[in-house]
Amino acid sequence: SYVLTQPHSVSVAPGKTARITCEENNIGSKSVHWYQQKPGRAPVLVIYNDSDRPSGIPERFSGSNSGNTATLTISTVEAGDEADYYCQVWDSNSDHRGVFGGGTKLTVL
Amino acid sequence: EVQLVESGGGLVRPGGSLRLSCAASGFTFDIYSMNWVRQAPGKGLEWVSSISSRSSYTYYADSVKGRFTISRDNAKNSQYLQMNSLRVEDTAVYYCARDSAYGEYDYWGQGTLVTVSS
Repeated sequence: SYVLTQPHSVSVAPGKTARITCEENNIGSKSVHWYQQKPGRAPVLVIYNDSDRPSGIPERFSGSNSGNTATLTISTVEAGDEADYYCQVWDSNSDHRGVFGGGTKLTVL
Repeated sequence: EVQLVESGGGLVRPGGSLRLSCAASGFTFDIYSMNWVRQAPGKGLEWVSSISSRSSYTYYADSVKGRFTISRDNAKNSQYLQMNSLRVEDTAVYYCARDSAYGEYDYWGQGTLVTVSS
């Protein structure tokens, strides 16, 4: 089954662009989803199917997926974007249907 | 408005049992697969179990297989997680999450805390 690798932490200044990666062999063949989780809160879906945004999610959030790397991009970062971010795939070929990355702590400097 | 409300968490001794419930509202429950996802204190998200819309298929993480049982009652718009032979490492916040078109979890409950300790 899949093992999704994310950096432990990413730091970015306000107004800049943050990029958070999610790596696995041939992840480009899967649909990748991204969640934002703030302390004490449930996760919130911010990107699904590689690059689609649920309603209510700002256009500043975008995603891409190719080869061995999926990427969540947050443009014009705001203080309120500081959170943990998790990638996830649905492994339809195994009994382990849900696979999460280890999570990335985004710090806004 | 879609709502998922978990209940049933609490403190239990190692080896004990607990049954979690998730009450759903605001959508047609019986056409969606559902999931349980947990998060140990200070740790990341871990998928625990999934159940298809009509209970035809169930899936479990290796860490809980043989100890946990997922079920649902579509007449009551609810899903459940029966947890037996609980271990200290099962301590976590357990979230109920709805499955959507591409396998993403588009709605989550607020979570219920399970603490396994002697």
